[in-house]
Amino acid sequence: KNEVEQSPQNLTAQEGEFITINCSYSVGISALHWLQQHPGGGIVSLFMLSSGKKKHGRLIATINIQEKHSSLHITASHPRDSAVYICAPGGGGSNYKLTFGKGTLLTVNP
Amino acid sequence: NAGVTQTPKFQVLKTGQSMTLQCAQDMNHEYMSWYRQDPGMGLRLIHYSVGAGITDQGEVPNGYNVSRSTTEDFPLRLLSAAPSQTSVYFCASSYSLTGQYEQYFGPGTRLTVT
Repeated sequence: KNEVEQSPQNLTAQEGEFITINCSYSVGISALHWLQQHPGGGIVSLFMLSSGKKKHGRLIATINIQEKHSSLHITASHPRDSAVYICAPGGGGSNYKLTFGKGTLLTVNP
Repeated sequence: NAGVTQTPKFQVLKTGQSMTLQCAQDMNHEYMSWYRQDPGMGLRLIHYSVGAGITDQGEVPNGYNVSRSTTEDFPLRLLSAAPSQTSVYFCASSYSLTGQYEQYFGPGTRLTVT
């Protein structure tokens, strides 16, 4: 079983700050997903990546497959970024199943 | 496309009752999964399917049944509800894009068992 550790568990920031959420996992995988869940809401896939870096707007995700580590960065954070961010290794190659971290609760204050 | 739809959105059951959570997708995805989400825990896989007629157990299958008679539908049956099954249930579908699996989640069903 892939053990997934996310840090921090909770994060409070002021609007405009640069945010970093980290994810480490124990079993080598060929892909990793970052998901976003607003309070009481559904789950949306932000990124699927297998190497290097991807950028969507103010969000950047990086992965180091050899180190079994990924990070999610949010530049110029905004209150609407307040949500739970979930790291989910898997969903690539022969492993289409995901394992999930417990999530990081991000609160961005105006 | 409606994407992944789930019904009902909310449900309250008494212990021992049975019910079916519905999940449908209109994207012709091969893979479908059911997860439960509990406070302080990550999403956990209940059952999954790699195509019509093929299902398998995930991490926490006890007390749940699934079937997949069509590509579109993947219902989850609670056989005899227990308070421990109080949770939020998410259905997801995925397809392979060059060996990577894009994930699409339904809006969730919040189930309370009293």
